[in-house]
Amino acid sequence: ELKVEQNPLFLSMQEGKNYTIYCNYSTTSDRLYWYRQDPGKSLESLFVLLSNGAVKQEGRLMASLDTKARLSTLHITAAVHDLSATYFCAMNAGGTSYGKLTFGQGTILTVHP
Amino acid sequence: DTAVSQTPKYLVTQMGNDKSIKCEQNLGHDTMYWYKQDSKKFLKIMFSYNNKELIINETVPNRFSPKSPDKAHLNLHINSLELGDSAVYFCASSKGWGGNTEAFFGQGTRLTVV
Repeated sequence: ELKVEQNPLFLSMQEGKNYTIYCNYSTTSDRLYWYRQDPGKSLESLFVLLSNGAVKQEGRLMASLDTKARLSTLHITAAVHDLSATYFCAMNAGGTSYGKLTFGQGTILTVHP
Repeated sequence: DTAVSQTPKYLVTQMGNDKSIKCEQNLGHDTMYWYKQDSKKFLKIMFSYNNKELIINETVPNRFSPKSPDKAHLNLHINSLELGDSAVYFCASSKGWGGNTEAFFGQGTRLTVV
């Protein structure tokens, strides 16, 4: 069974600093997704990573995928308060999973002055 | 124009009651899902429908019954509600279930059972 683990689960950052959230998964797959959730809100799709070595960037966020290491990273550059949210990685194991997404536990990011 | 919409947004009810949550998507997607988010924010899939056909039925109590009258709608009916059913339920949809499963989520329904 596919397992997806994120770390850290809680991240308190100062504005202007850089940090990385890690997402490890247990089975071979090449479809990984990053979502953002603001308190009391829905999940917003940030990145879709579909192949080994994929790198995508949007503003201060950059996501990458290393399928050999079974690892994805979400790098935050020069954090600002607006990035405070919970970030989830999720995977579709493919095969007969019929689109089932398995989520990591989420990383609660707080950016403070 | 909301892509995936759920109603109601909040639902407070007593134990033992039966309730329904409705979901509609206007994205033209073939696949719809129900996910449950518990108090620790953990998200887990409950059901998946593709072209109105039940594809995934995770180990969910049979008090939960999804119904898909057409590709654009997936409703969730819950019988005999229990305290442990309190959670946020998210509906989602995706274009397919094989190669492209980027899911788009509704705003969630916060269910509180008292």
